[in-house]
This record gives sequence, C-alpha cells and structure tokens, in this order.
Amino acid sequence: GDSVTQMEGPVTLSEEAFLTINCTYTATGYPSLFWYVQYPGEGLQLLLKATKADDKGSNKGFEATYRKETTSFHLEKGSVQVSDSAVYFCALLYNNNDMRFGAGTRLTVKP
Amino acid sequence: DSGVTQTPKHLITATGQRVTLRCSPRSGDLSVYWYQQSLDQGLQFLIQYYNGEERAKGNILERFSAQQFPDLHSELNLSSLELGDSALYFCASSVAGHGHTFGSGTRLTVV
Repeated sequence: GDSVTQMEGPVTLSEEAFLTINCTYTATGYPSLFWYVQYPGEGLQLLLKATKADDKGSNKGFEATYRKETTSFHLEKGSVQVSDSAVYFCALLYNNNDMRFGAGTRLTVKP
Repeated sequence: DSGVTQTPKHLITATGQRVTLRCSPRSGDLSVYWYQQSLDQGLQFLIQYYNGEERAKGNILERFSAQQFPDLHSELNLSSLELGDSALYFCASSVAGHGHTFGSGTRLTVV
C-alpha cells in the first residue's frame, strides 16, 4: 500500500544552519504530499503541501519539491532558527481523503 | 485555532477506569480521524468516521471504541485503562483532497 519513509532523527543543528529532512514515498497513483509540524505541546499543523509532480510547496522559509522521478519530497530550509525546533512529519494523501504519515523527525536548533 | 476542537485538554485517571474524549470537527468536514501519539512521537491511526459511519479501522484496541454523532462531533471511548494507554490522542477532520486538520489533542495520563 501507499507509504511514506522519512529520515530518522533526532536532528540537531546550530542556528542559521541549512536543514534537509528526507522523505520518500511509495504510491500506486499520484498522491498529494504534505509536511506537518508539531511544536512542543501542540497538535500537528500543516506546514506546506504539493499536489502534483514538480510542484514546490513553501511556507515560513521551508520548501519541498514533489519529485516524481525520485519519489521524494525533501523538506529544506536555508537558515534555521531556534523557534523551528519541533517534530516534522511527512505525509501523503491517498483515496482523496486518507493519509499516511511518516514516523516524524525531531529537530532541535541550538543558539 | 485550527477549527478542530478537542476536550478535555488533559485527563488524569486511574487504571481500570473508562474515559471519553470528544472532538468537534471543522465546520463542513464530514470525516473525523482519531490518532494516538505515544512518547516515541509516532502517530498511530486508530479509526475513521465519515458522516456518521465507521469507514476505516487502524490499530485500535478492543477496549477502545468510537462513534460519530449526527451533528458530526465524535467521541472516543477508552475503557479498562492501562498504564500503557497514557498518550496524546488527536482528532483530525478533513474535506476531500485537502489533507487533515488536527485538533490540539487530549493528553491522557493513566496512573
């Protein structure tokens, strides 16, 4: 079935470092792809999404490009801040309504 | 505010007891999903309802049950509670094609 695999954490970076969190997917069709973020003590919030191949989702300085040829949707940010410390989840939407989530990657940014 | 409301935010109860968690979906969303998130951060899908009908089951224990009412709010009932049931329980709602919107969760502590 459809699934998502994301890099294991935790990831620890210094402020202003470059961030990449890898995410690959397996799907029979062409799912929409998402990144969610969960700040400490909160629920998951949609960070960005892409609905078709070559689409780039972006929000709050984060970007991810839907790559059909490599079945990937890696999350990137050029300069992380302490406030970006959170758990990041890659996810795909299938059957128009159901989602598969990755295991989550915990990011800690140190000043 | 995501528009998905979960109550209560925190719940502390003893082993063997029964609790009910409540979720009001975003206005217009017909689907409600329940997830359990343990300390190791992964999201476990429990159950989905669509317009009052059970649509999909995940890793939901027999001690757990749920329902969705005509006004579309949903309740998750957890009975014969064990220490291992301590977790965050999230509700999410969705409209077709747009991914999940999550509530802020209920933190259940079983003592």
